[in-house]
Amino acid sequence: DAGVIQSPRHEVTEMGQEVTLRCKPISGHNSLFWYRQTMMRGLELLIYFNNNVPIDDSGMPEDRFSAKMPNASFSTLKIQPSEPRDSAVYFCASSEAGFKNIQYFGAGTRLSVL
Amino acid sequence: GEDVEQSLFLSVREGDSSVINCTYTDSSSTYLYWYKQEPGAGLQLLTYIFSNMDMKQDQRLTVLLNKKDKHLSLRIADTQTGDSAIYFCAVVYSSASKIIFGSGTRLSIRP
Repeated sequence: DAGVIQSPRHEVTEMGQEVTLRCKPISGHNSLFWYRQTMMRGLELLIYFNNNVPIDDSGMPEDRFSAKMPNASFSTLKIQPSEPRDSAVYFCASSEAGFKNIQYFGAGTRLSVL
Repeated sequence: GEDVEQSLFLSVREGDSSVINCTYTDSSSTYLYWYKQEPGAGLQLLTYIFSNMDMKQDQRLTVLLNKKDKHLSLRIADTQTGDSAIYFCAVVYSSASKIIFGSGTRLSIRP
């Protein structure tokens, strides 16, 4: 398997624009996680899905953030409108089943909002 | 609340052993992980230990768990330049319903 695939690897946008980050989990994994990494706050869990259903979105910072998982092989994280403080590296990870199984991380999307 | 703490930096000489420490607050931990992050990359699982274990060894890596003190350590024997990275401790809490990552320890290697 190619591992968790994220796109784009880098995104530069202007404040106010909509940003969509994409993730393809490892085939056969039932859980998908979205994280944000910044120097100030470290690695934060934003939301996670089990069998395509959002289980806990308490880490999503604001209503400007939304995540979907329309099927087992694809998820998106959308920011609308984007703000400079959203600049960070966003990681997607997947596991066979929840937190008790190893999470495999994608390479991340580095987002810069100008 | 739950928290996981690590020191931010560690510098060791090539060939020496590196010991990266992690402390956590909640005794209901179940699974404890060590991840490695190289520049521009995602987190890569290095090793893990279950809360009912005290020690785990895997080649150059040794994980020690002291449940009484809520202390986890990762020892890297014969540290090489390729070990330069940020190392994250992660703790899965009770009922496997939450994971908390430490802030990461940046390991640098001196010649």
